[in-house]
Amino acid sequence: LAKTTQPISMDSYEGQEVNITCSHNNIATNDYITWYQQFPSQGPRFIIQGYKTKVTNEVASLFIPADRKSSTLSLPRVSLSDTAVYYCLVSPGAGSYQLTFGKGTKLSVIP
Amino acid sequence: DVKVTQSSRYLVKRTGEKVFLECVQDMDHENMFWYRQDPGLGLRLIYFSYDVKMKEKGDIPEGYSVSREKKERFSLILESASTNQTSMYLCASSLPTGSVYEQYFGPGTRLTVT
Repeated sequence: LAKTTQPISMDSYEGQEVNITCSHNNIATNDYITWYQQFPSQGPRFIIQGYKTKVTNEVASLFIPADRKSSTLSLPRVSLSDTAVYYCLVSPGAGSYQLTFGKGTKLSVIP
Repeated sequence: DVKVTQSSRYLVKRTGEKVFLECVQDMDHENMFWYRQDPGLGLRLIYFSYDVKMKEKGDIPEGYSVSREKKERFSLILESASTNQTSMYLCASSLPTGSVYEQYFGPGTRLTVT
């Protein structure tokens, strides 16, 4: 399983766009990139998943460069309720059930 | 909305007790998972099940067993609880293919073993 590296913590003011970058240098051809969000005392929640280029949903965007050795989760105009831990996961393609969670990035949104 | 429920939010047990943690999902998902989460260690997979009566070991199965007699229910069993099993336990479920990375998590059970 590819190892991921992301910042331990980040601070942002309300209303700003936040970009959290994850490094996964040894990502394999069939691997997917997935991001989860976790609030205190709750289970993680799926945010977005991608394989290459850009993926956007109602919550976030995920940018993946051509070499796929990194990815960036972009949260537009964050609010206080976006304060959470964000996990970047790299997982093998179809046929694997395993998600490997790292330590995540603790995002603190400041008023 | 997918709902994954866990039998207790908080549980306190004594060393040596047999502990059952129950998880129920209401979306007819084939896959179910048990994780534990500890500060500084992130989430670690204990066991998962891809069908009724089927189970596979995750990264840290020692000291645990599981049971899946019905599709919607996945139980984690601590045969003889020990203090190093004090942790947050999270259950999750997912569809079998395509969206396997989109796992739906329950609220967690914080287990304290004294």
